[in-house]
Amino acid sequence: EAGVVQSPRYKIIEKKQPVAFWCNPISGHNTLYWYLQNLGQGPELLIRYENEEAVDDSQLPKDRFSAERLKGVDSTLKIQPAELGDSAVYLCASSSGGTDTQYFGPGTRLTVL
Amino acid sequence: QKEVEQNSGPLSVPEGAIASLNCTYSDRGSQSFFWYRQYSGKSPELIMFIYSNGDKEDGRFTAQLNKASQYVSLLIRDSQPSDSATYLCAALSGYSTLTFGKGTMLLVSP
Repeated sequence: EAGVVQSPRYKIIEKKQPVAFWCNPISGHNTLYWYLQNLGQGPELLIRYENEEAVDDSQLPKDRFSAERLKGVDSTLKIQPAELGDSAVYLCASSSGGTDTQYFGPGTRLTVL
Repeated sequence: QKEVEQNSGPLSVPEGAIASLNCTYSDRGSQSFFWYRQYSGKSPELIMFIYSNGDKEDGRFTAQLNKASQYVSLLIRDSQPSDSATYLCAALSGYSTLTFGKGTMLLVSP
């Protein structure tokens, strides 16, 4: 069974530029998560989707971050404009929902210059 | 604020020894607890989860949960150099909300 797929794996951009990350969850997983992980820290939730509905986006900086999950399958996370402090790894995870285990994708390492 | 606390380490153990990793959590409503392993530059991968007080064993790994003390631990028996990684403890509360600790770095020397 294929795992969570993310692209790109690495992205280098200059500050104030836009950037987008894509995630395809494990087949059949209705719940999708976007996490941010800074060096030396654990993942921090940005947004959680149940199917196509964003049910927890309280930690998403809405002034510059946006996300969508059209058709309830794959998802895109966007940053516009990017700031130096956005340099981090962006992880996507999926689960069957509820208390089920979350499985992580390989992540996208973003460097903002 | 829900918090999960871990000693950042590094925890150094010789090959073949038992590694003991500890974690405390603040939210008494947390239902389940997860241990993830993360190699440098890689994403977290699940080792095991526990939701009942007591011990749960899976191969060389044993998770222990004490809800009264809000304490979770992971024991790794017969540690191998390939176990060297950062171990993330996470607590599940509410509906699907995982709160992660900062992780403990484990170094297993040959």
